[in-house]
Amino acid sequence: DVQMIQSPSSLSASLGDIVTMTCQASQGTSINLNWFQQKPGKAPKLLIYGASNLEDGVPSRFSGSRYGTDFTLTISSLEDEDMATYFCLQHSYLPYTFGGGTKLEIK
Amino acid sequence: EVQLLETGGGLVQPGGSRGLSCEGSGFTFSGFWMSWVRQTPGKTLEWIGDINSDGSAINYAPSIKDRFTIFRDNDKSTLYLQMSNVRSEDTATYFCMRSFLYWGQGTTLTVSS
Repeated sequence: DVQMIQSPSSLSASLGDIVTMTCQASQGTSINLNWFQQKPGKAPKLLIYGASNLEDGVPSRFSGSRYGTDFTLTISSLEDEDMATYFCLQHSYLPYTFGGGTKLEIK
Repeated sequence: EVQLLETGGGLVQPGGSRGLSCEGSGFTFSGFWMSWVRQTPGKTLEWIGDINSDGSAINYAPSIKDRFTIFRDNDKSTLYLQMSNVRSEDTATYFCMRSFLYWGQGTTLTVSS
């Protein structure tokens, strides 16, 4: 299985900060990756697909990038409503696999 | 508006069976692959499997293969997950999902004696 190693597992930042989190794939040369945001009691919400494509309706402060098997989600200016847990998902190789999540807290 | 509604969760004894359903509305159900994903109490997300639009191709995660069966009834716009020989580690909230974009609200299964 492709393991998605997500870091950090938790993160505390201030409003207006730039926030980054990463997922590293354990293998695979052509990983298709999505990023999700999940708030308590809710289903995951798709933010980014294909590593860097912003889903319709998602604020432009969210962006995704890729360098080889390393993937990064960036929030350019943190807002209150961004407090959530973020997950990556690779859906190129079966079984599809999620990262362990990054819990983002506002200082 | 696309909606997915899961039902069927509850308390099941270890070794028992349970069926979950996911009814889709607001889209042409028969035109899409559908998936099941679960989330443990510790918040780990696990892809369980998916099924193509006519049910002729199904993929499973190794952790549940041979115990869980995914199938669909397009006439009823409903996706199913039949679980057998359940274990404590199957305790989770089960979501159905379409295209990674549309998710149900989830239904919770607890496996305990």
